[in-house]
Amino acid sequence: SQQGEEDPQALSIQEGENATMNCSYKTSINNLQWYRQNSGRGLVHLILIRSNEREKHSGRLRVTLDTSKKSSSLLITASRAADTASYFCATASLIQGAQKLVFGQGTRLTINP
Amino acid sequence: DAGVIQSPRHEVTEMGQEVTLRCKPISGHDYLFWYRQTMMRGLELLIYFNNNVPIDDSGMPEDRFSAKMPNASFSTLKIQPSEPRDSAVYFCASRDREGTEAFFGQGTRLTVV
Repeated sequence: SQQGEEDPQALSIQEGENATMNCSYKTSINNLQWYRQNSGRGLVHLILIRSNEREKHSGRLRVTLDTSKKSSSLLITASRAADTASYFCATASLIQGAQKLVFGQGTRLTINP
Repeated sequence: DAGVIQSPRHEVTEMGQEVTLRCKPISGHDYLFWYRQTMMRGLELLIYFNNNVPIDDSGMPEDRFSAKMPNASFSTLKIQPSEPRDSAVYFCASRDREGTEAFFGQGTRLTVV
């Protein structure tokens, strides 16, 4: 079974608005990562937040992590049409001395011009 | 580095045939992951290796699936015999150490008819 669950499954907003996606997980993690996937392509890493961090920024991206609630959110500010893609959270957990990386189902984001 | 290289990009095969998917990770990366992506099940972790050793293969759906990593620069995922429900996009990803991002290949789109 997959670790992360994204919410919502699909999100459609107007260009310029902010987009917020949420991720919940079930077990202890070492870090949580967000990836983006354009249609028909591989996933591309966006940002990583460690379990001892609460918030991280990268350009127009802001990620928060609440380990007590086992949840994370990804905020994309001032959205652009080019941000249209699927976004996935991935949890990294230490299993048998090695770090496993498990992805959620993803949120399909559509930015309308 | 050219990134993670997967071959073939597309594969169409008849039910019952053997299928071999190939992956060349980024040089120097210690981890290699195999994922399967479908609309119904999302992105599933099939198996991952650390320093060429399989760590967790609990995601491999059936005995028909097998994966090997004979050396640090090459891995294969084999399906024998293939079935129509194996149709999916198979991704390979590599990572250099714990706590870092994963780099994905472009995927192999497998269609079993």
